[in-house]
Amino acid sequence: GAGVSQTPSNKVTEKGKYVELRCDPISGHTALYWYRQSLGQGPEFLIYFQGTGAADDSGLPNDRFFAVRPEGSVSTLKIQRTERGDSAVYLCASSLQVGIDYGYTFGSGTRLTVV
Amino acid sequence: GESVGLHLPTLSVQEGDNSIINCAYSNSASDYFIWYKQESGKGPQFIIDIRSNMDKRQGQRVTVLLNKTVKHLSLQIAATQPGDSAVYFCAEGSGGYNKLIFGAGTRLAVHP
Repeated sequence: GAGVSQTPSNKVTEKGKYVELRCDPISGHTALYWYRQSLGQGPEFLIYFQGTGAADDSGLPNDRFFAVRPEGSVSTLKIQRTERGDSAVYLCASSLQVGIDYGYTFGSGTRLTVV
Repeated sequence: GESVGLHLPTLSVQEGDNSIINCAYSNSASDYFIWYKQESGKGPQFIIDIRSNMDKRQGQRVTVLLNKTVKHLSLQIAATQPGDSAVYFCAEGSGGYNKLIFGAGTRLAVHP
């Protein structure tokens, strides 16, 4: 597609439930990034993929969070046993390759609300 | 939906005036800096970037200034337009540039 697509755009879930957030990067982009943005704050890094592998997952807050990119294209961020503090906008970005010469393109995000 | 800028400092300007948005970055080892614009309900959009071997870079109606001595970055927008109303974030990177650190953001409100 023309841009980074994230689905769903909004997700409301009950505390303790499992959720999956999907990201479709720009076709041909090998690098994919997940960020989390809480209300009134800047995005915070969670994880990035180079191809199929998670090259850096140092931003994942705890083991309830996990992300995959099995075929090097679409990525899914998975959150188990959701907590109210997980409520935020989850942003995905992609770039042609990793590096300073390859800028990010962000999607519009998934707004997750845990009630 | 809710605005991403609900709790952010706000800069209010008149249409046609110049705007200056400031940012203090955190890591003295950062060598790449980016300004992003974020409109409500959308992801951040690239505006302009600068590398640490420069102190000024100009784009179309925008200029970024970098002062490494005091770890300060600014974004100047000339002839501000209503379409410039958004939240602006600075971001810093280093090393592999695979992980950006974003600042807190400033909301720019342009009044006709």
